[in-house]
Amino acid sequence: GDSVTQTEGQVTVSESKSLIINCTYSTTSIAYPNLFWYVRYPGEGLQLLLKVITAGQKGSSRGFEATYNKETTSFHLQKASVQESDSAVYYCALGEGFASALTFGSGTKVIVLP
Amino acid sequence: GGIITQTPKFLIGQEGQKLTLKCQQNFNHDTMYWYRQDSGKGLRLIYYSITENDLQKGDLSEGYDASREKKSSFSLTVTSAQKNEMAVFLCASSSDWGRAETLYFGSGTRLTVL
Repeated sequence: GDSVTQTEGQVTVSESKSLIINCTYSTTSIAYPNLFWYVRYPGEGLQLLLKVITAGQKGSSRGFEATYNKETTSFHLQKASVQESDSAVYYCALGEGFASALTFGSGTKVIVLP
Repeated sequence: GGIITQTPKFLIGQEGQKLTLKCQQNFNHDTMYWYRQDSGKGLRLIYYSITENDLQKGDLSEGYDASREKKSSFSLTVTSAQKNEMAVFLCASSSDWGRAETLYFGSGTRLTVL
């Protein structure tokens, strides 16, 4: 079956520093799945941050970037300079097959210190 | 814009009890989903529905029933609540069932089984 593995647990980073959350995926049924990052801000519901549907392409949103690397089967999320408002739980997800039901990673909680 | 409303926000039941969770969306989306999230883990798909009266099983469907009697609503029934089912249940919708569709999530129902 499909699986998504991302940076486990919690990451603490100081404001203005860089952040990277690792995500690798495995899929048995399709060579090039669609890849997503979802985010849950405190007190809010889960929402899409960015998505990339073509291997080799980069997606970006709110200062975050992620590049779909089919050679390493990775989709790491990066931001050059984080802000307190980036404190949230981030989920990497994979979509394949004939329905858009997604396979999610376990989530990474990011705490940005002032 | 639209919204997904899940009721109740908190649900407490007894072991062996039949419990129902409800979800309404006003996006006019075709596809709706139920995911379960256990503490510290990713989301796992229970059921999805690509149109009114359609039901498709996800990886975690055993022990659950679902119903999609109207396009705007999707309910999930825990047929016999077990203590190891304490989790947050998330409802989502998307406009189609293509692979790259964005999912829109509700804020969740937290289930506690005594």
